[in-house]
Amino acid sequence: TQLLEQSPQFLSIQEGENLTVYCNSSSVFSSLQWYRQEPGEGPVLLVTVVTGGEVKKLKRLTFQFGDARKDSSLHITAAQPGDTGLYLCAGEGGSEKLVFGKGTKLTVNP
Amino acid sequence: DVKVTQSSRYLVKRTGEKVFLECVQDMDHENMFWYRQDPGLGLRLIYFSYDVKMKEKGDIPEGYSVSREKKERFSLILESASTNQTSMYLCASSSRTKQFFGPGTRLTVL
Repeated sequence: TQLLEQSPQFLSIQEGENLTVYCNSSSVFSSLQWYRQEPGEGPVLLVTVVTGGEVKKLKRLTFQFGDARKDSSLHITAAQPGDTGLYLCAGEGGSEKLVFGKGTKLTVNP
Repeated sequence: DVKVTQSSRYLVKRTGEKVFLECVQDMDHENMFWYRQDPGLGLRLIYFSYDVKMKEKGDIPEGYSVSREKKERFSLILESASTNQTSMYLCASSSRTKQFFGPGTRLTVL
């Protein structure tokens, strides 16, 4: 069974601070996705990383896929209150099903 | 704009009732999914469907069934609702593993 361990589970920071969320597994994934979920809504896809070592940037968010395609990180620079939400990583194992991490609940205080 | 809709945002049912949760997508996707989301447990796959009338069990199918009579519609059925099925239910459809989620149905079973 493929598992994705996501850390930290909770993160509360001040506006302007930087943060990193980690997603780790002992399994290799063909791709890894990051979603963001706001309260009362469904998750929305932010990015997909496919190649080992790949780095993608989305404004102040930087996503990295590990060289061995077993782990990924999300780094937010100068966090803003609008970044508040639940961040989920999800790995594709080979079928169109995804394996989800348990999520990181981020709160950015003004 | 792509869209996944769910029939209810909030639902309150009594123990033993039969409950239907409906999901409709307008993207002509082959694959559709039902998840439940609980604090600390993340998203867990209940059932998924890769074509009309085709279905496969996910990680936690017990107490649930599904129906997919038309490509755009995927229904989740709780045959006899129990209090431990109180949860947020999320429907998704996918194109090449990129999943689009509905807003969720928060179900409370009393």
